[in-house]
Amino acid sequence: KAGVTQTPRYLIKTRGQQVTLSCSPISGHRSVSWYQQTPGQGLQFLFEYFSETQRNKGNFPGRFSGRQFSNSRSEMNVSTLELGDSALYLCASSPVVRMNTEAFFGQGTRLTVV
Amino acid sequence: GNSVTQMEGPVTLSEEAFLTINCTYTATGYPSLFWYVQYPGEGLQLLLKATKADDKGSNKGFEATYRKETTSFHLEKGSVQVSDSAVYFCALENNNDMRFGAGTRLTVKP
Repeated sequence: KAGVTQTPRYLIKTRGQQVTLSCSPISGHRSVSWYQQTPGQGLQFLFEYFSETQRNKGNFPGRFSGRQFSNSRSEMNVSTLELGDSALYLCASSPVVRMNTEAFFGQGTRLTVV
Repeated sequence: GNSVTQMEGPVTLSEEAFLTINCTYTATGYPSLFWYVQYPGEGLQLLLKATKADDKGSNKGFEATYRKETTSFHLEKGSVQVSDSAVYFCALENNNDMRFGAGTRLTVKP
C-alpha cells in the first residue's frame, strides 16, 4: 500500500511569490491534515480537510489556504510569501473516521523563501 | 480543549543510557495517545500508541503507559542507541481532533 506522497520535496521561492504544495493520501483515507514545522515554533497545525470540506483550522493568516479534491488529494497554497514561511510542510492522512487511529505522514515539502 | 505538553529538549545521552521523555495531556473523555518519531530529513512515523487507560504501547525497545490518573504518557527506553537520535513527538487524538506536543530532540552519543 503506497504511503502519503508529497510533491515537490524541495522548493525555493522568492518573497512575494505564491506556492502550491500537493499531497496524495493513502488510498481510502479521506482526511488530510497539513502542518508547518520550523525549528523555532515546532509542529504547528494548519488545517484539516475531510470530504472536500475544511473541518479544522489552525491559527495561521489567510495567506495560507487549502483545498481537497474528490479523490481526497489535497493542495495547500501560500500567497505573498514571506521569509518566515520557510519551513518543512507536512501532510498527514487518516481513515474515514479517525477513532483511535494514528495519522500517517508524508516526507514533507521543504520550502525555502529567499 | 485538547492539548499536549512534553518535556523540552534537547536531550543528550550516552549510548546505553536510560531515556525518559515526559508527556502530559489535557482532554475531556478518553483520548488515544501516541508517540511519533522524526528522523533527520523525514516525516513523522508512528512509534507506539495506547488507546485506553493502563494500556502500554511498545515498539523497538520503547515503552509508554497511558496513565489516566496523572494524565501522562511518558516515553521510556532502557538502553538508547546512536540510531535513536531523532525528534520525538507526543500526540493525542480525541473526537477527531489530533494535537501534537512541541517535540523533544534526542541526541545519543557513542
